[in-house]
Amino acid sequence: EVQLVESGGGLVQPGGSLRLSCAVSGFTFSSYAMTWVRQAPGKGLEWVSAISGSGGSTYYADSVKGRFTISRDNSKNTLYLQMNSLRAEDTAVYYCAKDRTYSSSSQTNWFDPWGQGTLVTVSS
Amino acid sequence: DIQMTQSPSSLSASVGDRVTITCRASQSISSYLNWYRQKPGKAPRLLIYAASSLQSGVPSRFSGSGSGTDFTLTISSLQPEDFATYYCQQSYSTLRTFGQGTKVEIK
Repeated sequence: EVQLVESGGGLVQPGGSLRLSCAVSGFTFSSYAMTWVRQAPGKGLEWVSAISGSGGSTYYADSVKGRFTISRDNSKNTLYLQMNSLRAEDTAVYYCAKDRTYSSSSQTNWFDPWGQGTLVTVSS
Repeated sequence: DIQMTQSPSSLSASVGDRVTITCRASQSISSYLNWYRQKPGKAPRLLIYAASSLQSGVPSRFSGSGSGTDFTLTISSLQPEDFATYYCQQSYSTLRTFGQGTKVEIK
C-alpha cells in the first residue's frame, strides 16, 4: 500500500524557518516526481513546488520562489520542503503528493495519492 | 501562469441529482486537466485524469469531458459521500494551477 506521511509542521514566527518532511512507502520513491500543495484555512488548493525523481529538476510557485527549497533523499524515501522567511500568508496545511511519472515537468502528471497534511502556522 | 476558473463556486443538490461542474482555462491546455474531490478535513482524492479518464477505484457515476479551454465534471447520480469540494487542476504548464473549487452542498 502506498503511504505518504507528512511531519514537521507547527507554529513559527514571521521571518522564521521550518522544514517539512514527507516519508513515503509502498513504491519505488526514486522513480517518481513529487509535489507539495498547500491549503490556507478555509481556502482552496495552491500548488507550491515539484521535484523530479532524481532531484535534478525543481519548480516553484512564484509565491514561494526564493524562500522555499524542495529536496529529496532517495536513500531515505523522504521528501522535504525547507521554508525560510515565512510570512503570515504561508499559514496552511501542506500536503505532499506522488506524481504519475519520473519527470516533474511531464504534462501527463497528476497527483495520486496525497498525504494527510501537516499544519504550518506563521504568527507572532 | 494559466488561470483556472470553476463555476459555480457552490451549488445545492439532492441525493440522486445529476450535477455538472465547469472549469475554464485562461489558454488552451489540450486535455491536460485533472479533477479531485476533497471531503472536509481530508486530503484531496484524484477522480479524473487527462480530462476524461476515470481513476482506478473511482465510481463510474463520475465522468469528465472537454479539451482546449473548457471542461466539465459530471456526477450522474449524487451520493451522500459526494457532498464535498471539487477542484480542477491543469498539468499543461510546469507551474501547475488549481481552480478555486466548487462546493457541493446538500439541498
